[in-house]
Amino acid sequence: AQSVTQLGSHVSVSEGALVLLRCNYSSSVPPYLFWYVQYPNQGLQLLLKYTSAATLVKGINGFEAEFKKSETSFHLTKPSAHMSDAAEYFCAVSDLGANSKLTFGKGITLSVRP
Amino acid sequence: GAGVSQSPRYKVAKRGQDVALRCDPISGHVSLFWYQQALGQGPEFLTYFQNEAQLDKSGLPSDRFFAERPEGSVSTLKIQRTQQEDSAVYLCASSPALQIQAYGYTFGSGTRLTVV
Repeated sequence: AQSVTQLGSHVSVSEGALVLLRCNYSSSVPPYLFWYVQYPNQGLQLLLKYTSAATLVKGINGFEAEFKKSETSFHLTKPSAHMSDAAEYFCAVSDLGANSKLTFGKGITLSVRP
Repeated sequence: GAGVSQSPRYKVAKRGQDVALRCDPISGHVSLFWYQQALGQGPEFLTYFQNEAQLDKSGLPSDRFFAERPEGSVSTLKIQRTQQEDSAVYLCASSPALQIQAYGYTFGSGTRLTVV
């Protein structure tokens, strides 16, 4: 069975600082990996996805993530945090099947201090 | 429409009441998923449709939960005899592809169900 671990439930950074949100996955087959962002009272918005092409994936709003098979990780980074980045972030994994349901982590709340 | 639309946005139900949650996917989207998101948790898979066929309902927590998509577009998630543990946000998502890896899928804003 696939699973995703997001360590910690809350990360706080200063505006302009590096954002690093960690995600480790467990999968018996090559996974597809996703990061989603959720703003209050809204649905999930796709930030980026890894689908076995380039291991460094660039997404929207300046975010990127690197797939590291040896570490079973897919950490999300952004060089400089903006106040508007404050939200909840979910890492998710999917397999190759047609029924491509996502298995989500518990999420990390990002706070950005002025 | 431009996005996935869910209604109602908020629903308060008395314990034991039946509820129906509606999802209007993006026009032409083949795949439709329902997820349940408890407070402070990540979404959890409930069920999956490919057009009108319900191909996977392994995530439905009990036989009180029922989903349908009779014409391959609008879907309804029905919960009978609601219990307090059913309180959650119910998210619908749709995708134009049979395999989401190429496109990901688009989520609606969800229906927040509170059972009192």
